[in-house]
Order: sequence, then structure tokens, then C-alpha cells
Amino acid sequence: GDSVTQTEGLVTLTEGLPVMLNCTYQTIYSNPFLFWYVQHLNESPRLLLKSFTDNKRTEHQGFHATLHKSSSSFHLQKSSAQLSDSALYYCALSGNNYAQGLTFGLGTRVSVFP
Amino acid sequence: AQTIHQWPVAEIKAVGSPLSLGCTIKGKSSPNLYWYWQATGGTLQQLFYSITVGQVESVVQLNLSASRPKDDQFILSTEKLLLSHSGFYLCAWSLEQSYEQYFGPGTRLTVL
Repeated sequence: GDSVTQTEGLVTLTEGLPVMLNCTYQTIYSNPFLFWYVQHLNESPRLLLKSFTDNKRTEHQGFHATLHKSSSSFHLQKSSAQLSDSALYYCALSGNNYAQGLTFGLGTRVSVFP
Repeated sequence: AQTIHQWPVAEIKAVGSPLSLGCTIKGKSSPNLYWYWQATGGTLQQLFYSITVGQVESVVQLNLSASRPKDDQFILSTEKLLLSHSGFYLCAWSLEQSYEQYFGPGTRLTVL
């Protein structure tokens, strides 16, 4: 079945430094949809980025990611982390059957310090 | 605009007691609906999905069941709660033939 692998555990960094969260996936589908969700403390996950186009950069709220089908990757990046970026980040995958829902990675917790 | 509500907001229940959690979406007809479970500090595990009234597919049951009695309503239930049922239950929706999902505010369940 489908699977998603993310940077494990906790990422801590200083405000203003760049952040990169790794996401790789496995699926039999040739045209998967990839997503990044962000979940702040005591909130529900919120869609941050999405892509299904190979080698095309997608951006939102200062974050960006590029889907690379050749390496099955969809890494999340931001050039300058802010305190408000402290949250849990999930990479998710959808195969060809939209109805079946998403496969999520284990999540990466990001803590940004001043 | 679409709005999604979940009830109750939080629940504390005893082991062995029954449970019913609800989800309602307004502003969109015939959405795809999903139930997810998130253990404290854990990942999101999809439990059930439904693309139409009366039809529910199970992904992982965890001794839970789901029903879709109305187009805009999705119910998660069990007759006997286990300690392992504690966690954060999230309802999500997507448009027909769309891949992205949007989550409701969630219900936090504590089983003692």
C-alpha cells in the first residue's frame, strides 16, 4: 500500500534560520497528489500546500515545496522560520482513488526559539 | 462557505461505556466524509470514509463503527469503550472528485 516517510521526531531551530522538512513517499500510482498539513497546538490540521505537478514549485504563506516524482519526494522549506511556525507538520499522499482519503506520515514537530 | 462542526468538543468516558461522536458539514452537498483518529502526539490514522448517504467503508476499525444517516452527517460510535480509544477524533470532508481534505475542529476523548 501507500506510505509516507517524514523527517523523524522533533526539529528545533532558531528564529530566522531556514527550515527543511523531508518527505518521501511510496505508491503504485503514477500521478499521486501530495500535501503538507500543519497542526498547531490544540487545533486541527490545516492544509498548507498541495501539488500533483512534477517539478513545479508550489508556495503558500512563506513555505514552498516541489514534487519530484523521480525521487518520490515533496520536501517542505521556508527560508526564515518564525516563532509562529512552531507546530506539527504532516506530509500526506493521495493515490488515484480520491474517495479513499489520505495516507499521512508520522509527522514532524517543529519548535522555533527566539 | 462550507462549515464543519463536530460534537461534543470534548468527552470524558468510562471504560465499557458507549460513545457517539458526530460531524455535520454545511454549505456543500454530497461531500466525501472521513473519520480520523490521532493518539496524543501521534499520527493521523484514517478510520472510515463515506462518499454517499448510507455507505461507509472501513479502513481501520479499532472496535468502532461509523454511519452516514444524512448527506451532511457522519457518526462515529461504539458500544464499549476501551482505554485505547482515548485521543483526538477528527472529521474531514472533501469535494466530490477532489483530493484535498479539510478537517473539522475535532473531539478530544479521554477514556478512564
